[in-house]
Amino acid sequence: NAGVMQNPRHLVRRRGQEARLRCSPVKGHSHVYWYRQLPEEGLKFMVYLQKENIIDESGMPKERFSAEFPKEGPSILRIQQVVRGDSAAYFCASSPRMTGSSNEQFFGPGTRLTVL
Amino acid sequence: AQTVTQSQPEMSVQEAETVTLSCTYDTSESDYYLFWYKQPPSRQMILVIRQEAYKQQNATENRFSVNFQKAAKSFSLKISDSQLGDAAMYFCAYRTPFRNAGNMLTFGGGTRLMVKP
Repeated sequence: NAGVMQNPRHLVRRRGQEARLRCSPVKGHSHVYWYRQLPEEGLKFMVYLQKENIIDESGMPKERFSAEFPKEGPSILRIQQVVRGDSAAYFCASSPRMTGSSNEQFFGPGTRLTVL
Repeated sequence: AQTVTQSQPEMSVQEAETVTLSCTYDTSESDYYLFWYKQPPSRQMILVIRQEAYKQQNATENRFSVNFQKAAKSFSLKISDSQLGDAAMYFCAYRTPFRNAGNMLTFGGGTRLMVKP
């Protein structure tokens, strides 16, 4: 059973470029969460998606950041016109279709974004 | 909004000894879940232990156990017989039961645990 997969694991971008981070959830999971971890800090929630819907984006910066989880394919976190402050580790987590309230979120290995 | 606080940025323990990591949280909810995650240098987030707030019994997983004090909003992690492989960042996290919104994990700032041979 494959866990949550994220690619790339490392991404280097120059200021002003676009970054695309991909997340393939555990097979059968229809809920995806994105978190950001700045250096020496805990993870901070960004966005929660179900297939084709953004459910909660309260942690997402208002500009330059967007996320999607299409019917087919991985979830994508897109950062336009990156700045040095976007350098961080971005984690994706998934959970199964809700049959109860205690479902665990399974984390991917993260994508480390470095902006030069 | 819920907040999670880990007041110990770093802790160290001698191999085979016991160490306790502290966590406090703030919430107005009565039903919620608490977690401890381990993050080794590989950065992979590994679930160590989970506690449901409605359960009075403290959760235990092998060498890992928690001291859950609901009234004090405290959730400490005890690691017994510490091993070199326990060295990592440890994050305390909080989550409400499933809803369409607010289902995210809220993390503390982390505690770096060092294990001395």
